[in-house]
Amino acid sequence: GNSVTQMEGPVTLSEEAFLTINCTYTATGYPSLFWYVQYPGEGLQLLLKATKADDKGSNKGFEATYRKETTSFHLEKGSVQVSDSAVYFCALRTSGSRLTFGEGTQLTVNP
Amino acid sequence: DAGVIQSPRHEVTEMGQEVTLRCKPISGHDYLFWYRQTMMRGLELLIYFNNNVPIDDSGMPEDRFSAKMPNASFSTLKIQPSEPRDSAVYFCASSSRDRGLAVMNTEAFFGQGTRLTVV
Repeated sequence: GNSVTQMEGPVTLSEEAFLTINCTYTATGYPSLFWYVQYPGEGLQLLLKATKADDKGSNKGFEATYRKETTSFHLEKGSVQVSDSAVYFCALRTSGSRLTFGEGTQLTVNP
Repeated sequence: DAGVIQSPRHEVTEMGQEVTLRCKPISGHDYLFWYRQTMMRGLELLIYFNNNVPIDDSGMPEDRFSAKMPNASFSTLKIQPSEPRDSAVYFCASSSRDRGLAVMNTEAFFGQGTRLTVV
């Protein structure tokens, strides 16, 4: 079956630090890959996505590249802000149409 | 569009009572998902619908849980009887098939969730 594995949290960084949150997946076929963000007390929001190998998704300074050879979709940001503090979820979707999520990674950015 | 609308936002109930959670998906979306989020188990897919028909309910924990989608603009998740271990945040999400894209390429849009506490 399909599965998503994220690096364990929580992750705590200082403002302007570089962020990487690792995500690897197992899937039948070639899935689409997503990063969602959940701010406190809210639902999940799409952050970025990539639908085929070597695609790079980007939004709000965050980037992730779909790497088929390593089955990975790591999230990066060059300089984090306090407002980026949230829980980040990696997810995949295949032709079967259900979304499969990773466990989530809590990020805290301190001023 | 106002997005996916869930009600109530918070629900506190006593063990043994029936609980009904409601969801209005985004107009035009033909997939609807119910998720449950807890600290212990993370985000779990309970059930999803396509064109109002349940496609996969393998995530529904037990017979106490049931979900319906009587029309394209409304779905309910019912727990009867409720138990303290059902305490969680329940999310509804919807998605569509964009013209020219496979459904797998489209993201799901989430509601704000219903925080359920069973005491």
